[in-house]
Amino acid sequence: KAGVTQTPRYLIKTRGQQVTLSCSPISGHRSVSWYQQTPGQGLQFLFEYFSETQRNKGNFPGRFSGRQFSNSRSEMNVSTLELGDSALYLCASSSGTPGVYGYTFGSGTRLTVV
Amino acid sequence: QKEVEQNSGPLSVPEGAIASLNCTYSDRVSQSFFWYRQYSGKSPELIMSIYSNGDKEDGRFTAQLNKASQYVSLLIRDSQPSDSATYLCAVNRDAGNMLTFGGGTRLMVKP
Repeated sequence: KAGVTQTPRYLIKTRGQQVTLSCSPISGHRSVSWYQQTPGQGLQFLFEYFSETQRNKGNFPGRFSGRQFSNSRSEMNVSTLELGDSALYLCASSSGTPGVYGYTFGSGTRLTVV
Repeated sequence: QKEVEQNSGPLSVPEGAIASLNCTYSDRVSQSFFWYRQYSGKSPELIMSIYSNGDKEDGRFTAQLNKASQYVSLLIRDSQPSDSATYLCAVNRDAGNMLTFGGGTRLMVKP
């Protein structure tokens, strides 16, 4: 069974640009969550989608957005990139409610903003 | 006060010893608790979940939960150098849709 697939693995962007990251969950998993991981702040929750609906959102500015498609694949977008957005972005899928089943994480997208 | 707190470490233990990793949380209504392991340069992987007070064992790993004291711990018996990683504690408030992670404890197992 394929795991959670994130693309691309690495990205280098310039301040002010925008970026789109992609995530394909484990087959059958309808919940997709996104986290930002930095050395200083650790893992911080961005948002969670289930059946194309955002069910929960973390405390990030509106520059961070996401969506989920009917096949459960998800994308997140960051507009007007800032240097502080440099981080590992992790996608995680769950077979049901994350609070019950936990997550399976993808390998992440390493974003560097210069 | 952070919602989920862990000692950042490093926690250094000799091979074969028991490693004890601790986590405290602030929200009394938290209902489910997870331990993840993250190797350097890799993504977190789920080790165990625990929902009820007491101990839960899985191989060399034992999770312990004390809701009254608001702490959860992970014991690793017969620690191996391959257990060297960062261990993340995650807490869910209401069996809902997100987990809150602690900062992680870095474990080093010395041969």
